[in-house]
Amino acid sequence: ELKVEQNPLFLSMQEGKNYTIYCNYSTTSDRLYWYRQDPGKSLESLFVLLSNGAVKQEGRLMASLDTKARLSTLHITAAVHDLSATYFCAVRAGANSKLTFGKGITLSVRP
Amino acid sequence: DVKVTQSSRYLVKRTGEKVFLECVQDMDHENMFWYRQDPGLGLRLIYFSYDVKMKEKGDIPEGYSVSREKKERFSLILESASTNQTSMYLCASIGGLADFYNEQFFGPGTRLTVL
Repeated sequence: ELKVEQNPLFLSMQEGKNYTIYCNYSTTSDRLYWYRQDPGKSLESLFVLLSNGAVKQEGRLMASLDTKARLSTLHITAAVHDLSATYFCAVRAGANSKLTFGKGITLSVRP
Repeated sequence: DVKVTQSSRYLVKRTGEKVFLECVQDMDHENMFWYRQDPGLGLRLIYFSYDVKMKEKGDIPEGYSVSREKKERFSLILESASTNQTSMYLCASIGGLADFYNEQFFGPGTRLTVL
């Protein structure tokens, strides 16, 4: 059974500092997804990582994938308040398009 | 623009009522999903469908059924609503494995309260 773990589950960040959050998964996969969710809202797609060594950047967020280690990282550069949200990673594995989600990491940026 | 829409953003129902949640996508996606999201429990898959009239149980199907008569529409049915089904319900769709990018998109969610 595929398991997806995210850590930490909650992170308080100071404005202007850099942070990294992690997503581990337990079986081979060819797709890893990052989503953002604001309170009371739905999930918004951030990145789709398709291969080993893939790196994608959008603004202050950079996601990377190491399929050998079964690990994805989401790096936050110079955190700002607008980045406060819950971030989910999800992994596709198997013969269908079903995704398995981690529990999410809630980021809170303080002044 | 990619679109997944859900019939209601907020819904209040009484215990025992039959409840229909509708989801429509305009991307010609084969696969559609219903999740519920509760604080501390993350996203839990209720049912999914990989083709018209096809469905598979997810992790928590009890108390729910689904219908997919047309490719673009996937309905979640609560046969007899109970208070423990109060939750945020999220619909999502994704293309088939032949879709290279294979990105999953979510609808805006329906917050259901059962009294």
